[in-house]
Amino acid sequence: ETGVTQTPRHLVMGMTNKKSLKCEQHLGHNAMYWYKQSAKKPLELMFVYSLEERVENNSVPSRFSPECPNSSHLFLHLHTLQPEDSALYLCASSQELAGVPSQPSYQETQYFGPGTRLLVL
Amino acid sequence: EDQVTQSPEALRLQEGESSSLNCSYTVSGLRGLFWYRQDPGKGPEFLFTLYSAGEEKEKERLKATLTKKESFLHITAPKPEDSATYLCAVQAGMGGGFKTIFGAGTRLFVKA
Repeated sequence: ETGVTQTPRHLVMGMTNKKSLKCEQHLGHNAMYWYKQSAKKPLELMFVYSLEERVENNSVPSRFSPECPNSSHLFLHLHTLQPEDSALYLCASSQELAGVPSQPSYQETQYFGPGTRLLVL
Repeated sequence: EDQVTQSPEALRLQEGESSSLNCSYTVSGLRGLFWYRQDPGKGPEFLFTLYSAGEEKEKERLKATLTKKESFLHITAPKPEDSATYLCAVQAGMGGGFKTIFGAGTRLFVKA
């Protein structure tokens, strides 16, 4: 148990549906992340939040919309997805956001949740 | 272009047969290199962070080393429960910006 939970664990949706993925971290961390893991492809960083503010957006289609209401919760709102969006969506958190001037430490280490397996039909 | 390459893609070992996994990288402004283990259907599990060339970290049968161009994950006398995908990630950037780049992973199979 890493202290990062994700719901639902599995989701099947049609291309016209709207759904949301939820991530919650119980570690007191300040930074949270969304990743996409597709079959046979490296992990792709989608969104980064630090203290509830988005700090990085890696050219992600607008059909993915993140929300971070507080430092413990992160959502990924999904609408009009495509079949190629089917993947494992992973949430992670870290004590600090990399890039903040600080002594090298484990505070930038990311702890991952179990992921949501998404299938878009 | 920043890049992280892991080799081999897959590695099959007999129980007790020691070996190494490689992670080579080309990035600007290395901040840290991470090793993770990922079991099927689960999120990655943190193993090590290395920050500077020459640094080494150990955990049970695993030992990670770092040079200016690559990192090795040495597995000594592996057991079947060490079977998993091992991911390498590099955090890089300067000033206030950063990025994290993952390699494609090495799938390790250890046979009893």
